[in-house]
Amino acid sequence: GNSVTQMEGPVTLSEEAFLTINCTYTATGYPSLFWYVQYPGEGLQLLLKATKADDKGSNKGFEATYRKETTSFHLEKGSVQVSDSAVYFCALRSGATNKLIFGTGTLLAVQP
Amino acid sequence: NAGVTQTPKFQVLKTGQSMTLQCAQDMNHNSMYWYRQDPGMGLRLIYYSASEGTTDKGEVPNGYNVSRLNKREFSLRLESAAPSQTSVYFCASRGSGTSAETQYFGPGTRLLVL
Repeated sequence: GNSVTQMEGPVTLSEEAFLTINCTYTATGYPSLFWYVQYPGEGLQLLLKATKADDKGSNKGFEATYRKETTSFHLEKGSVQVSDSAVYFCALRSGATNKLIFGTGTLLAVQP
Repeated sequence: NAGVTQTPKFQVLKTGQSMTLQCAQDMNHNSMYWYRQDPGMGLRLIYYSASEGTTDKGEVPNGYNVSRLNKREFSLRLESAAPSQTSVYFCASRGSGTSAETQYFGPGTRLLVL
């Protein structure tokens, strides 16, 4: 079945450090891929998405590229800020069901 | 435009009690979802409704019932709460057309079952 695997956290970085959070997926067909972010005490918000191979999603300085050959959708940011501290979820949507399958989430803590 | 709203924000129940979690969206979305979030497990789909009048089971439906009251509202009911249902519950909705890819989440309901 469809599944998403993302790196264990927590990830602790200093402000202005480079961020990578790994995400790989297993799916039949051609899923759409998403990164959602959850700030403390809040619901999830869509951060970025990509709907087909080689698409790059980007938002707020974050980027992720849909790599079909490696079934990956790694999240990157060149210079993190304290305000980026949150839990990040990788997810896929498999077309027929329109349901989202989430990874377990990665907690990012950015220290000043 | 409030998006997706959920009530209550917090609830403590005793084992065997019942309660209904309320969810409403004002974006005229057809599809609505209920998830639970547990540490180390991400979000898991409990039930969803593809359109008004239809509901379907998700990954973890046991112990729950849902009602799609109208296009705006989608409620989740625990008939006889168990400690295993201690979790954070999120409602979400999804539009159509250009917004069909995105699910919009409510702020969550934190439930503790003693």
